[in-house]
Amino acid sequence: QVQLVESGGGLVKPGGSLRLSCAASGFTFSDYYMSWIRQAPGKGLEWVSYISSSSSYTNYADSVKGRFTISRDNAKNSLYLQMNSLRAEDTAVYYCAREAVDIVATFDYWGQGTLVTVSS
Amino acid sequence: SSELTQDPAVSVALGQTVRITCQGDSLRSYYASWYQQKPGQAPVLVIYGKNNRPSGIPDRFSGSSSGNTASLTITGAQAEDEADYYCNSRDSSGNHLRVFGGGTKLTVL
Repeated sequence: QVQLVESGGGLVKPGGSLRLSCAASGFTFSDYYMSWIRQAPGKGLEWVSYISSSSSYTNYADSVKGRFTISRDNAKNSLYLQMNSLRAEDTAVYYCAREAVDIVATFDYWGQGTLVTVSS
Repeated sequence: SSELTQDPAVSVALGQTVRITCQGDSLRSYYASWYQQKPGQAPVLVIYGKNNRPSGIPDRFSGSSSGNTASLTITGAQAEDEADYYCNSRDSSGNHLRVFGGGTKLTVL
């Protein structure tokens, strides 16, 4: 069965960096676009970034552009999010999600999320 | 601010029908997908495309679209349907971004 397991969250000071990972299993990882989606405490979902199946294309929400970098390693079935210059408003649960192969912008599987807290 | 607009809260009596709506310019060109999220859990896809349900989603959930508005309908709402519901689609700028609506809190009375 499809599994997505995020890791790497934690407490970081403003201006600091953190790298999130997402381990995928149960499907051919290299066939799918993948995204990071976040949810601030008590708030709604916010799409953060996606990467194409072969890493040819990436895209970012304006709120993180220039600070966050998405990447993947298809040999390791892993997705990453490098987060730099972190701000208090980046505090959220970060989910990795698989984008359905034939339906753009539809997220058919989600991980359980990892919490990132940006605070001094 | 979100490019997709949802009512913050909706309520329905047990066993009745409820419609949750999502408005946005991009919905004139792209279908919305719908997600259910219960407290402390990850979102779950419930409707995608024209009106498709993933395996395991009850057939009381259905989707429709007209103009710039997408709708999620729950026919015969159950207590376990109480949750937050989010729509999402592509953005309207042509930049291939993804966007979510602000979410609707559904209360089953």
